[in-house]
Amino acid sequence: KAGVTQTPRYLIKTRGQQVTLSCSPISGHRSVSWYQQTPGQGLQFLFEYFSETQRNKGNFPGRFSGRQFSNSRSEMNVSTLELGDSALYLCASSDQAGRSYEQYFGPGTRLTVT
Amino acid sequence: GQNIDQPTEMTATEGAIVQINCTYQTSGFNGLFWYQQHAGEAPTFLSYNVLDGLEEKGRFSSFLSRSKGYSYLLLKELQMKDSASYLCAVRPSNQAGTALIFGKGTTLSVSS
Repeated sequence: KAGVTQTPRYLIKTRGQQVTLSCSPISGHRSVSWYQQTPGQGLQFLFEYFSETQRNKGNFPGRFSGRQFSNSRSEMNVSTLELGDSALYLCASSDQAGRSYEQYFGPGTRLTVT
Repeated sequence: GQNIDQPTEMTATEGAIVQINCTYQTSGFNGLFWYQQHAGEAPTFLSYNVLDGLEEKGRFSSFLSRSKGYSYLLLKELQMKDSASYLCAVRPSNQAGTALIFGKGTTLSVSS
């Protein structure tokens, strides 16, 4: 099976702009979670989608939003970008089978805000 | 609140054994995970503990004590390729789904 894919891999934006990142989960996986990774804060949970519904949300401002499509692909959007939004954005998919609900991470999108 | 602590950095030599500790305080507990992340790459799953005790998988083992809010990852017969960041993560039980709360990671450097 192909792994989790994320596009684009790298992105440079200017403060005030908005950005949309895309994530395609492993085939058959219905859960997609998004995380922000920065050197100072580490990996922080943004939100999770399951069957096109947001099931869980982390402690991020409303400028961060997401959605999931019927094929389980997910997008996240960040509006009115700030310098502090520069980070690696990772998505992870899970099939929720087995006891651990193990998450498989994609390679990430490196966002730089200038 | 939610808090997961692990050492920032550790160093070790090839062939040695290293133990990376993790302590957590979270809103409920529904499993503890260890992930490995090489520089510039995605985190990859190493282990999962939900009951007290030791889980062994090849050169890697993970231990959990729920009463103490404590876990460790044990790496044996260290190799240069084990140089990476090791992330401890907890799944809180007060949240639906698969969300994980991560520690900031321990950067392990293995030298020859």
